[in-house]
Amino acid sequence: QKEVEQDPGPLSVPEGAIVSLNCTYSNSAFQYFMWYRQYSRKGPELLMYTYSSGNKEDGRFTAQVDKSSKYISLFIRDSQPSDSATYLCALNTGGFKTIFGAGTRLFVKA
Amino acid sequence: DTAVSQTPKYLVTQMGNDKSIKCEQNLGHDTMYWYKQDSKKFLKIMFSYNNKELIINETVPNRFSPKSPDKAHLNLHINSLELGDSAVYFCASSQVLGYTGELFFGEGSRLTVL
Repeated sequence: QKEVEQDPGPLSVPEGAIVSLNCTYSNSAFQYFMWYRQYSRKGPELLMYTYSSGNKEDGRFTAQVDKSSKYISLFIRDSQPSDSATYLCALNTGGFKTIFGAGTRLFVKA
Repeated sequence: DTAVSQTPKYLVTQMGNDKSIKCEQNLGHDTMYWYKQDSKKFLKIMFSYNNKELIINETVPNRFSPKSPDKAHLNLHINSLELGDSAVYFCASSQVLGYTGELFFGEGSRLTVL
């Protein structure tokens, strides 16, 4: 079993839709949960960061962590064509090693 | 002013050759990394250095040799290149003090082995 599972998509939605992206993981020692966004031919950049369980909101983006189910989600409200990118979940136990999911490719159609 | 910069951005080379990728960060971070991203976008850690000391060495063939001359620089040398080495190699850095898990990535070096 992989440490982190993420559906690679692609996911195609119309502009204005609510997008739900998620990952499951197997290691209960993960404490730091992150979402990175990667545009084509660019490096990943941190989008959202959550420590332990709970929700975090930043503008149109909401990150949720459910440690009991080992499930993390990213919601994008009022999606825009500029949100078209690959979204990678990333997890860390508190050390130097961050494990990434496979990334979900998102296309938002105008 | 680019925070994490890698050179070159593109490399095309023949099997069996040796190549190097250089990385520099101007963020004052203590830790630097090499990640490999394959054609399916799967991003996998290869190496990590903290203050010039190797702290993570994943199961990477010993044809790959990282070197950190100082904490702002991390280079990757690859010997005897193979077709399977074709990928995008990303350098990243992070601040250890007040660790948040945030990695700052360069734009990647796209290696194609023919």
